[in-house]
Amino acid sequence: DAKTTQPPSMDCAEGRAANLPCNHSTISGNEYVYWYRQIHSQGPQYIIHGLKNNETNEMASLIITEDRKSSTLILPHATLRDTAVYYCIVRGVWGTYKYIFGTGTRLKVLA
Amino acid sequence: DSGVTQTPKHLITATGQRVTLRCSPRSGDLSVYWYQQSLDQGLQFLIHYYNGEERAKGNILERFSAQQFPDLHSELNLSSLELGDSALYFCASSEGGNEKLFFGSGTQLSVL
Repeated sequence: DAKTTQPPSMDCAEGRAANLPCNHSTISGNEYVYWYRQIHSQGPQYIIHGLKNNETNEMASLIITEDRKSSTLILPHATLRDTAVYYCIVRGVWGTYKYIFGTGTRLKVLA
Repeated sequence: DSGVTQTPKHLITATGQRVTLRCSPRSGDLSVYWYQQSLDQGLQFLIHYYNGEERAKGNILERFSAQQFPDLHSELNLSSLELGDSALYFCASSEGGNEKLFFGSGTQLSVL
């Protein structure tokens, strides 16, 4: 699975959009980008995933660059409850049985 | 609620002891993953089972073992416990081997 690089920490003002970047320059054509978050010591929570096209769901939007070497998770209106560690994972579809989490980005939403 | 159940929620034991952590996956999910998270550390992948078969191992110590039973629940056995084994242990399940994961709320293990 491709390696990902994320900033260790970010701050965001409450009500503003939080844009969390992820670099995955060695991603291959059949690898998806997944995002999870972990609030305090709870179990991580799936947010969104995508292959090539931008994706949006009720939680967030995922923007993947055309060359697929980086992506951005967007929380459109961050709230204090979005304070968490956000993990970007790149993962193949077939034949990949490990599911490795990196160190993630610690997002703090400020009142 | 993710639908993944882990028991017990908390476990306190002494060094040298053996414990068993249990995970019940979401209904219909065939894959179970185990992770260890020490204080302020990232999630360390331990092992993955799919439909009863071991599919991948991560940084799992020889003192640790796991299995997945025919009813698809899984158990993680930790033996000869050391202080450094104190951590949160999460299990996660997915439909197959490569879809999104659903995590349980974890078992907090304290080795005294």
